[in-house]
Amino acid sequence: SQKIEQNSEALNIQEGKTATLTCNYTNYSPAYLQWYRQDPGRGPVFLLLIRENEKEKRKERLKVTFDTTLKQSLFHITASQPADSATYLCALPYVSSGSARQLTFGSGTQLTVLP
Amino acid sequence: SQTIHQWPATLVQPVGSPLSLECTVEGTSNPNLYWYRQAAGRGLQLLFYSVGIGQISSEVPQNLSASRPQDWQFILSSKKLLLSDSGFYLCAWSAGGPEFYEQYFGPGTRLTVT
Repeated sequence: SQKIEQNSEALNIQEGKTATLTCNYTNYSPAYLQWYRQDPGRGPVFLLLIRENEKEKRKERLKVTFDTTLKQSLFHITASQPADSATYLCALPYVSSGSARQLTFGSGTQLTVLP
Repeated sequence: SQTIHQWPATLVQPVGSPLSLECTVEGTSNPNLYWYRQAAGRGLQLLFYSVGIGQISSEVPQNLSASRPQDWQFILSSKKLLLSDSGFYLCAWSAGGPEFYEQYFGPGTRLTVT
């Protein structure tokens, strides 16, 4: 069965540094991958989608890479700020019973940016 | 623009009592709708999804059920709550169709079963 692993449950970095979060998957060949941000007590918010034929995608201070050979995505936040502190989730499309409209989410990495 | 609403925001219910959580979506038609549960410190568990009125698919066997009486309305129910039903319940929508679009989440309902 498909399995998603995010590198660590918690990551602390100093303000201004680059945060790098990892999402690994097995038994899977997804056509794309998504990243979400979740603040405590709130629903996840969509950040970026990257397709299998895109090696890299950027949005402001965010950068996502997608290596289908390594079965890994890296999520970078450059010039990190305390406001970037949150849990970041990766998600992959999930196919079951012939339907193709679900996402499987990783358990998330809690990022804390220290001032 | 599209908006998604969930209520109530918080709920404390005794074991064995019924449950009804409602989710509504505005500003879009024929959305795919989803119910997730998130236990404390855990990931999202997909409970139900719907691609249209009256069309419900369940991912995890449990004492919960879902219904979609209107295109814009998704309801999560239980006849008798268990302690293990406690958690953060999230409704989400995505554009309809066969593609894997991004999902947009509601504010969630914090359910505590006592």
